[in-house]
Amino acid sequence: AQTVTQSQPEMSVQEAETVTLSCTYDTSESDYYLFWYKQPPSRQMILVIRQEAYKQQNATENRFSVNFQKAAKSFSLKISDSQLGDAAMYFCAYRSYSSNTGKLIFGQGTTLQVKP
Amino acid sequence: GAVVSQHPSRVICKSGTSVKIECRSLDFQATTMFWYRQFPKQSLMLMATSNEGSKATYEQGVEKDKFLINHASLTLSTLTVTSAHPEDSSFYICSATLDSRSGNTIYFGEGSWLTVV
Repeated sequence: AQTVTQSQPEMSVQEAETVTLSCTYDTSESDYYLFWYKQPPSRQMILVIRQEAYKQQNATENRFSVNFQKAAKSFSLKISDSQLGDAAMYFCAYRSYSSNTGKLIFGQGTTLQVKP
Repeated sequence: GAVVSQHPSRVICKSGTSVKIECRSLDFQATTMFWYRQFPKQSLMLMATSNEGSKATYEQGVEKDKFLINHASLTLSTLTVTSAHPEDSSFYICSATLDSRSGNTIYFGEGSWLTVV
């Protein structure tokens, strides 16, 4: 069975600074997807970034980028130029490539605080 | 655009009663939907996979007789919490996948807060 681990329950960053959230996962599959989701106080799940395992290039979305290390099974999220609106809970998630389309396995989450 | 809508967003029910939460895919059909449960400051835990026209697949440890899932159409899945107790109080979220030529996109509902008193 696949597992996702986020070892940082809470992180803090100064506004305009850069912060990295860690995520490791365990799987025996070779093809899969990895995601970072943001959950603000409204509880709405917002997709931040997505990475296909077969792609070597790290995904980037504006101020958000990932460091995907497939061999190490590591998938960290870097937030550059942090903004107050980035404060939220962040979840790393895994999805198998083939089965049960849409079934996600989530990490424990990291609460990010952004200080003005 | 594609949206997943949940209703109600908040519900309070008395202990021992049943409550139904709806998950609708708007503007697209979803043969599979997923139900998650989230306790405060914790992660989303998959409860079950809702399959249109067939029985739901429950995750280990989830009581299928307590959490009834019905996926009667391609746009609607319902979660019914039967004989609710205070420990069932939680945040419930559904998701649905839109399949397209460019890939699969997962959409989440807004979630439903259940409080059992």
